[in-house]
Amino acid sequence: EPEVTQTPSHQVTQMGQEVILRCVPISNHLYFYWYRQILGQKVEFLVSFYNNEISEKSEIFDDQFSVERPDGSNFTLKIRSTKLEDSAMYFCASRRGGFNTGELFFGEGSRLTVL
Amino acid sequence: AQSVTQPDIHITVSEGASLELRCNYSYGATPYLFWYVQSPGQGLQLLLKYFSGDTLVQGIKGLEAEFKRSQSSFNLRKPSVHWSDAAEYFCAVGGGSQGNLIFGKGTKLSVKP
Repeated sequence: EPEVTQTPSHQVTQMGQEVILRCVPISNHLYFYWYRQILGQKVEFLVSFYNNEISEKSEIFDDQFSVERPDGSNFTLKIRSTKLEDSAMYFCASRRGGFNTGELFFGEGSRLTVL
Repeated sequence: AQSVTQPDIHITVSEGASLELRCNYSYGATPYLFWYVQSPGQGLQLLLKYFSGDTLVQGIKGLEAEFKRSQSSFNLRKPSVHWSDAAEYFCAVGGGSQGNLIFGKGTKLSVKP
């Protein structure tokens, strides 16, 4: 069964460092998302991406965040200068078509720890 | 503003007992509603969804949820819980063309023998 894969599963970094989280969405999916979950809190929407551009972003997704689809398979989230409060589980998700056409498939997450 | 409330942070039920996890939402239009489950170290798995039509929705693993517009609720139910059901359950509401989901804080389910 096709799945969304994320790497790394866990990354530890120093405050102020750049981090790139990688995702490989399901191959025939067109809509891509990043969500995050701070420990003990709810899953929060960060950004959606369609047709090679950001289609919507939340207020969390400020200038230190960026997303990219550098090739036909990868979808990356970059945090330019990490802060302690960026420590969270980051989930990538993808969907094949428009909103009511199918399920949003989530990856297993990348845990980011900022020291 | 759109929001989802899951009033119960942690629930413990006995194996074989029935289960109901509560979810209330706030949404301006007809909502799209979802239940996801997350096992430790795993991603989010969709259990069921409501878009329109029959307000009682069947999902995987013997789960069902009922959409009650008058109560702004979408509670998840299972008649008999198994130890493997222990996990964290998230209710979510979505809408708009981009399909962004707003999640509740989750309810952790523990199952005792």
